Amino acid sequence: GESVGLHLPTLSVQEGDNSIINCAYSNSASDYFIWYKQESGKGPQFIIDIRSNMDKRQGQRVTVLLNKTVKHLSLQIAATQPGDSAVYFCAENLSWAGGTSYGKLTFGQGTILTVHP
Amino acid sequence: GAGVSQSPRYKVTKRGQDVALRCDPISGHVSLYWYRQALGQGPEFLTYFNYEAQQDKSGLPNDRFSAERPEGSISTLTIQRTEQRDSAMYRCASSAGTGRVAFFGQGTRLTVV
Repeated sequence: GESVGLHLPTLSVQEGDNSIINCAYSNSASDYFIWYKQESGKGPQFIIDIRSNMDKRQGQRVTVLLNKTVKHLSLQIAATQPGDSAVYFCAENLSWAGGTSYGKLTFGQGTILTVHP
Repeated sequence: GAGVSQSPRYKVTKRGQDVALRCDPISGHVSLYWYRQALGQGPEFLTYFNYEAQQDKSGLPNDRFSAERPEGSISTLTIQRTEQRDSAMYRCASSAGTGRVAFFGQGTRLTVV
């Protein structure tokens, strides 16, 4: 079945360092991936997404890399700041197959990122 | 509205009572999703709608759970005969369509006592 998992449950970095958060997915048919940031007491907040026809996408201080060969997704955060401290979730979606749309997002367990000043 | 709005933010109910959780999606978003999130875990899919049609309800745990979106906008998740194991954060999200970014609301914290 579908599943998404993370290699590292916690990540601790110094302010200004670059952070890399990893995610493995098992459904090779998934065609859409999203990274969310969730701060304590809040709902998941969209960071960046990528479709399976791409292997890299950049945003402001963030980059998502997709390796379909090994079914691996990563989120890179440049010059990490204390405000980046949160739980980060990757999510996968098989959005279209056989003429049918599928809205279900499957989330991983999450990685706790702690940024020390 | 500007974001996904859920109400109530907190709900405490006695075991055996029915509860209704409301979700008001972002204006114009055709897809609406319900998730349940346990502490320290990622959201778990329950069901989703495109317009008023319930496209997938495979994540609903049992027949005590139901959802509707009669006019393709506001949605209600209903849990009948609540049990303590139903206690969780229930999150709603909406998107402009399937395979588009889903934006989440603040959630409803349900506690069954």
